[in-house]
Amino acid sequence: DTAVSQTPKYLVTQMGNDKSIKCEQNLGHDTMYWYKQDSKKFLKIMFSYNNKELIINETVPNRFSPKSPDKAHLNLHINSLELGDSAVYFCASSQGEGNSPLHFGNGTRLTVT
Amino acid sequence: DAKTTQPPSMDCAEGRAANLPCNHSTISGNEYVYWYRQIHSQGPQYIIHGLKNNETNEMASLIITEDRKSSTLILPHATLRDTAVYYCIVRYTGTASKLTFGTGTRLQVTL
Repeated sequence: DTAVSQTPKYLVTQMGNDKSIKCEQNLGHDTMYWYKQDSKKFLKIMFSYNNKELIINETVPNRFSPKSPDKAHLNLHINSLELGDSAVYFCASSQGEGNSPLHFGNGTRLTVT
Repeated sequence: DAKTTQPPSMDCAEGRAANLPCNHSTISGNEYVYWYRQIHSQGPQYIIHGLKNNETNEMASLIITEDRKSSTLILPHATLRDTAVYYCIVRYTGTASKLTFGTGTRLQVTL
């Protein structure tokens, strides 16, 4: 069973469109994250939710809106997509915010044309 | 979070031990050292973490110097499947802590 699963795996869309990426974890964790890995392979945190509450929001444009309907899901909605949004987006989860390790999904490769 | 410095790349022969160094000279007392790796086209994978003492699990060993300013990840018998980018991360585990990934070390395991 996949612990952290993301859909879709690949997403190709045009500038200006709105798209969503879904993430689900079956580990029973209470904290979930979104990370972005750009073309230079830098991996940066975007958001973190703990028990459905936003706890980290790194200077991300407000076109990006995470939504956590329950502890097991953290979706990422992106409005008015831009070329610079092209990247691989990784979802992750952990138990609590302490030293519990993060479990990552296998990413969603977003290409904006 | 304290910054880390890692060599950009390393090679290792299959079956040999791979020793990946990391410098974190500005680490503070309540910061842990974490190691993750990212195999091509996959999400990062947790390997091991520690605070002061050396740690070992089924994947690797982590050796932290007494002054905690550097550490070494040891893969005792590297295989081709260990070829990946290895990230050393120092993380404060207080409220709203986060992992900050650097550029890592690209380990190439060869026959």
